[in-house]
Parts: sequence; C-alpha cells; structure tokens
Amino acid sequence: QSLLTQPPSASGTPGQRVTISCSGSSSNIGINAVAWYQQLPGTAPKLFIHTNNQRPSGVPDRFSGSKSGTSASLAISGLQSEDEAEYFCAAWDDSLNGVVFGGGTQLTVL
Amino acid sequence: QVQLQESGPGLVQPSETLTLICTVSGDSVNSGTYFWSWIRQSPGKELEWIGYIYYTGTTNYNPSLKSRVTISMETSKNQFSLELSSVTAADTAIYYCARAMWKVPRFDPWGQGTLVTVSS
Repeated sequence: QSLLTQPPSASGTPGQRVTISCSGSSSNIGINAVAWYQQLPGTAPKLFIHTNNQRPSGVPDRFSGSKSGTSASLAISGLQSEDEAEYFCAAWDDSLNGVVFGGGTQLTVL
Repeated sequence: QVQLQESGPGLVQPSETLTLICTVSGDSVNSGTYFWSWIRQSPGKELEWIGYIYYTGTTNYNPSLKSRVTISMETSKNQFSLELSSVTAADTAIYYCARAMWKVPRFDPWGQGTLVTVSS
C-alpha cells in the first residue's frame, strides 16, 4: 500500500480543468517537495512537475502543481486528448529515508 | 541529450539473483552532480523506488528491499547495476534506471525500462 494516496481515476472533457490529488503525511509531503510524473501507455514515466510547482522545459503551462500541508495537487487546464495518461505523485519520506510514490491516477479525456 | 538504457535477462528463476545494468550516455556517472537510481513498476502499475548510488559508492536502499539489494557502479564503462537476490514472483516488474537527485523525488531522465519475469 502506497504511503501517498491518489484517486485511481479522474476524467474530463476537452477544454475542462481537472485536478488530481495526492495525500501524504507529516513525514513526506508535509515537510518535503513533491514531484509529478506522466506515464503514457507503454512508455517510462516522465517528470512533469518538480519542487511542488516547477515545470521542466517542454511541459505545457496548462500543467500546474501546488502543495498545502500534507497534500498536493496537479491541475490540468484546457484539457486535451493527448493528456490522457497515468499520473503519479512522489515525495521524499524522512521516516523511510527514501522516495515514495502515489498509486497513480488514470486520467481519461472523454 | 542524456540517455539511459537498461539491459539484462528478461526471465529469472525463483530464488536466484536478478542482475541488470544501466548504461548512461550524454552524462558521466562520476560527475558528482547527480545520483543514479533504480525504480520498478509492478504489473499493477505501482511504482517502487529501489535505491540510489552516488559516484563515491555511497548507496541508499528502500528498507523493504535492503536485505536483498546491491547497487554498484562501473565508472570506466559509465554504467551502474542492480542485483536483487532471492527473487520471487513478487519481484516480477518493469525495472527502470534513472538519473536522480538526493532527497528529492526528481528522476529525469528515465531509461525505457526492461521487463523481468520471475518464473520457473
């Protein structure tokens, strides 16, 4: 069972704004930075957000990250069909002394 | 452009040792800027961090796997490797190597991954 909890699925129609949540604890999200990964079918995960809200070069600005307390969120505005993918959150956990991942959220564009 | 490529057997017998190699191009594993990591993804799609290695040889492993894992580095070949001993069917997964940073969940880039099946 993952130390970070994500909803298994999310959906939206093209153009909508969708938010994916990631719930952790005081030993991970509460005190450390969060990252988000996008995984398209058959490919490796790709870093989409790091340090809570920073986008690597090449990631559309429709994607944004935020953190509050022991939870984090990934927001996607102006949803597009190409955004259909699995999204994972991740954080360093001080109790584990290592990285923990969320269970992943499958985003469907209706 | 930094690229990582995993290699190793796709089938391992139960109770044996899984060994994978990650070959890095476009960066040096002993540059001291980054850590180098292994991550696996189960058939159920859950991601699990396995561990890190730094060019000094310093390692950090997931406590749940620590007793069975060894990550090492071959700087002359710009490679790092994973050994996982006493494997069972539960170790069947896609294994990824990735460039990493210490104490932050920033893995970038990743290798394409290699499927390892544990079965007799």
